[in-house]
Amino acid sequence: DVKVTQSSRYLVKRTGEKVFLECVQDMDHENMFWYRQDPGLGLRLIYFSYDVKMKEKGDIPEGYSVSREKKERFSLILESASTNQTSMYLCASSPSFYTGGHEQYFGPGTRLTVT
Amino acid sequence: SQQGEEDPQALSIQEGENATMNCSYKTSINNLQWYRQNSGRGLVHLILIRSNEREKHSGRLRVTLDTSKKSSSLLITASRAADTASYFCATDEGGADGLTFGKGTHLIIQP
Repeated sequence: DVKVTQSSRYLVKRTGEKVFLECVQDMDHENMFWYRQDPGLGLRLIYFSYDVKMKEKGDIPEGYSVSREKKERFSLILESASTNQTSMYLCASSPSFYTGGHEQYFGPGTRLTVT
Repeated sequence: SQQGEEDPQALSIQEGENATMNCSYKTSINNLQWYRQNSGRGLVHLILIRSNEREKHSGRLRVTLDTSKKSSSLLITASRAADTASYFCATDEGGADGLTFGKGTHLIIQP
């Protein structure tokens, strides 16, 4: 059974704190993604990675960074958390783009509240 | 990146009825996918339809794709209370940046 896990289901942080969200997949997928989901806005892509140590900006990368040191792990970092980063964060993985037309597998999500 | 748009935004029907959701998109695609999200959870892949396919079935799900109109529909037949969820379409344009998701249709099945 394929699995994408996220380090926390719920997280509460203070403004200005550095926040790490961790995602691990056990499917040997090349691609990994971080989205945020807000009411009325749907899913918006923050960053993605198509290989170890590779990263690409998505639609809303400002205020975020990522790290992919190992194939199975993709971390999202909020350098200095702000209240407008309160959101549901979803991690996903998929096989290589070059094999074409694959679905994404999602983790359960982390609901982050910044106070 | 451009998003698909689901229609309606919300839909409430009686258990046993059929539910139809629509998705429109703007660019050429390689495939279109539908996902379900139960409240507060991650998304689960339901079905993928390629650009050269017109219709696809999976259990109680039927998906159609009209590339000339840049639209797709998801039909859930004989709905159940457990089908209550948000449903998202996602387009794969063949680029290296993965899928583009719509904002979703929230489906409520009344018992």
